[in-house]
Amino acid sequence: QVQLQESGPGLVKPSQTLSLTCTVSGDSINRGEYYWNWIRQPPGRGLEWVGFIDYSGNTYYHPSLKSRIAISADTSKNQFSLNLRSVTAADTAVYYCARATNDVSSGHPFDHWGQGTLVNVST
Amino acid sequence: QSALTQPPSASGSRGQSVTISCTGTSGDVGGYHYVSWYQHHPGKGPKLIIFQVSKRPSGVPDRFSGSKSGNTASLTVSGLQAEDEAHYFCSSYSGSNNLWLFGGGTKLTVL
Repeated sequence: QVQLQESGPGLVKPSQTLSLTCTVSGDSINRGEYYWNWIRQPPGRGLEWVGFIDYSGNTYYHPSLKSRIAISADTSKNQFSLNLRSVTAADTAVYYCARATNDVSSGHPFDHWGQGTLVNVST
Repeated sequence: QSALTQPPSASGSRGQSVTISCTGTSGDVGGYHYVSWYQHHPGKGPKLIIFQVSKRPSGVPDRFSGSKSGNTASLTVSGLQAEDEAHYFCSSYSGSNNLWLFGGGTKLTVL
């Protein structure tokens, strides 16, 4: 059974770096079939895809976040991480990690999600 | 404002059917067969219930069905049950922009 679990600070000060980790169990992030994603939902708003990393370390980010974001992986711990620099209140959101198949014919649905973690950007 | 447009709420009585719409553009929903739907109960991770417009993952009841016409996709929940009360949101992979788009979500109330 594939499970994803987000972890990290719930409070980050403006201008600092938001850092979250997703621990995957029941699957290996080294497998070539999936993208490992971060998705966020600001309070009262819809979801926004943030970016992904694949099995070989390739990353792809939302264009609006590209200048501030880095996603990395630690295959020895079966984890992948999100770093978002220079945060503002607009980055306050519930952050989810999720797995998506890299099979383009399937449309890349997110078939497993973490339960999400709320990150508040505030002084 | 979300990239894909959903009604904020929907409701139906137990046993009835309800349909939730998801409207995008020809660059995403209308142009590709990549729409997926998710069920989200508060405090839990979202659950994939429909992918590729109308396909159900293993274990998802056939009471959940999906379709698409033009730039609008739809999720129909038939034979409503109490446990169907949740938020539902759509997503479409935008092949033209190489990113995923989401709807704002619809809160389904089972009366």
